[in-house]
Amino acid sequence: DIQMTQSPSSLSASVGDRVTITCRASQSISTYLNWYQQKPGKAPKLLIFAASSLQSGVPSRFSGSGSGTDFTLTISSLQPEDFATYYCQQSYITWTFGQGTKVEI
Amino acid sequence: QVQLVQSGAEVKKPGASVKVSCKVSGYTLTELSMHWVRQAPGKGLEWMGSFDPEDGETIYAQKFQGRVTMTEDTSTHTAYMELSSLRSEDTAVYYCAYGLDVWGQGTTVTVSS
Repeated sequence: DIQMTQSPSSLSASVGDRVTITCRASQSISTYLNWYQQKPGKAPKLLIFAASSLQSGVPSRFSGSGSGTDFTLTISSLQPEDFATYYCQQSYITWTFGQGTKVEI
Repeated sequence: QVQLVQSGAEVKKPGASVKVSCKVSGYTLTELSMHWVRQAPGKGLEWMGSFDPEDGETIYAQKFQGRVTMTEDTSTHTAYMELSSLRSEDTAVYYCAYGLDVWGQGTTVTVSS
């Protein structure tokens, strides 16, 4: 099975900050890496697919990069509505999620 | 617009089974893979398995092998996930997901004696 390791597990930030979350796969997954945002009591929402493609309707302050085993999600200027938990997910072989990164004030 | 509507919350006793449904509207059930993901209280997302309509194969996460069954009724555009031999650790919100970007609202399953 492919393991996904996210870091950090949580972070404190302020509105306007640039935030970076990293995700590492236990083996190469090419660009089969997706990022989700989840708010309490809600289903996950797809932000980025194929490592760097912005899902329709997602603000351009979200961006993704990476290939192979190392990936990054960046929020260029954190907004109040961005406080949430973020998950990376590999879809190279079945699915595996990272453990999540909680972004809080 | 594709939507997934899941069945309502369930409370089960240890050892029982639960069957969660996921109705697809606005799309054809056989176009994309249907995945099932669960989330225990305060925990992360855990993939349980999926059905691939291209080859008709169902793949289950090893952790759930032998306890989970995923099926689809194309006539009613509904997918099902049945989990048996429930234990307290199966208390979670269960989601269906169609492709990467369309998720159901979640079904809370509580296992308690």
